Amino acid sequence: AQRVTQPEKLLSVFKGAPVELKCNYSYSGSPELFWYVQYSRQRLQLLLRHISRESIKGFTADLNKGETSFHLKKPFAQEEDSAMYYCALFGGSSNTGKLIFGQGTTLQVKP
Amino acid sequence: DGGITQSPKYLFRKEGQNVTLSCEQNLNHDAMYWYRQDPGQGLRLIYYSQIVNDFQKGDIAEGYSVSREKKESFPLTVTSAQKNPTAFYLCASSTLQGNQPQHFGDGTRLSIL
Repeated sequence: AQRVTQPEKLLSVFKGAPVELKCNYSYSGSPELFWYVQYSRQRLQLLLRHISRESIKGFTADLNKGETSFHLKKPFAQEEDSAMYYCALFGGSSNTGKLIFGQGTTLQVKP
Repeated sequence: DGGITQSPKYLFRKEGQNVTLSCEQNLNHDAMYWYRQDPGQGLRLIYYSQIVNDFQKGDIAEGYSVSREKKESFPLTVTSAQKNPTAFYLCASSTLQGNQPQHFGDGTRLSIL
């Protein structure tokens, strides 16, 4: 079964500390993975996708097929990073955009 | 300005009442989706549609209904059969290409009176 697991409901760090939001997936094929972010009072938006291999707002995520993980990392957290983060797996056939979301992790960056 | 518009922002339902949440997009996307967001449970897919006049059930379709009469519109009706409707509802759209991101609306918060 296709599944995305984010084991931490809440991650609290101090400003300037490294951040790692965990995401593990279960998928038999070649996965397409995304990180979405929802800042307070804003709509859910795409943060990054593994296929782009880019860094957005200092965040990176590497797909580890051996560990079936797609953890989101940032070396130095900022207060404006505080938000809800969702990991998502593209889990349909090639002609749909259906995503499977994890439970979400709230990142709280303290001053 | 392209995007997804959900209305209303807040909605209240009485017992035994059906309510309809609106979702409109002007992104020319073929696919549209409805999710329910509950604390600690992430986003769960209610219904999705890939083409006009066609839609499929998601993981938690019971107590909900949808229609897709126009490409731009995908309204969701929360029926009286949905026993726990209090939640935040998100609408999204995307192209049909598998690895393209979804675009989300601002959401509708539904509460029971």
